[in-house]
Amino acid sequence: AQSVTQLDSQVPVFEEAPVELRCNYSSSVSVYLFWYVQYPNQGLQLLLKYLSGSTLVKGINGFEAEFNKSQTSFHLRKPSVHISDTAEYFCAVSEGTSYDKVIFGPGTSLSVIP
Amino acid sequence: DTEVTQTPKHLVMGMTNKKSLKCEQHMGHRAMYWYKQKAKKPPELMFVYSYEKLSINESVPSRFSPECPNSSLLNLHLHALQPEDSALYLCASREEGVGEKLFFGSGTQLSVL
Repeated sequence: AQSVTQLDSQVPVFEEAPVELRCNYSSSVSVYLFWYVQYPNQGLQLLLKYLSGSTLVKGINGFEAEFNKSQTSFHLRKPSVHISDTAEYFCAVSEGTSYDKVIFGPGTSLSVIP
Repeated sequence: DTEVTQTPKHLVMGMTNKKSLKCEQHMGHRAMYWYKQKAKKPPELMFVYSYEKLSINESVPSRFSPECPNSSLLNLHLHALQPEDSALYLCASREEGVGEKLFFGSGTQLSVL
């Protein structure tokens, strides 16, 4: 069964600084990886996803992520954060033929400091 | 219309009450989901409906009863809940196919007294 780990529960960063949010997964079959963002009192929305092909994927709001199969990682990056990026970020995975089952990691709370 | 609409937004119920949560989407998505989210925690998968049939039940207690009356609607019937069931209940839908993204509603904040 698939699982997702996000090692950093909270990440404070100054405005306009770069940020990396870490995600590691475990699965015995092919995986599909996602990053979702949740703003306060809202549902989740997709930032980006990796299905296959190029290991560097670009998403909305200037975010990008790199899939590394050997390290089973899918870290999220942004070169310069804004106050509006303050939110909860969830890495998620689905796998193989069970792609309906989308499992979320524990989340990372990003706080952008002015 | 790219929205998933959930009603009500807030619900307070006693442990002996029966209530229902509703979810609606008009994007033609064939898969619909219920997730439960406690504060400061990730969404936990509860149920998945695919083509109006229950395809995944993550060992959810029977006091939660899902229903998919048609391809646009998803209900979650609640009966004899416990205070620990208080949480944000999120509905989501997705298109058919590998890697299609989930569209989430804003959720129903449920408090069980």
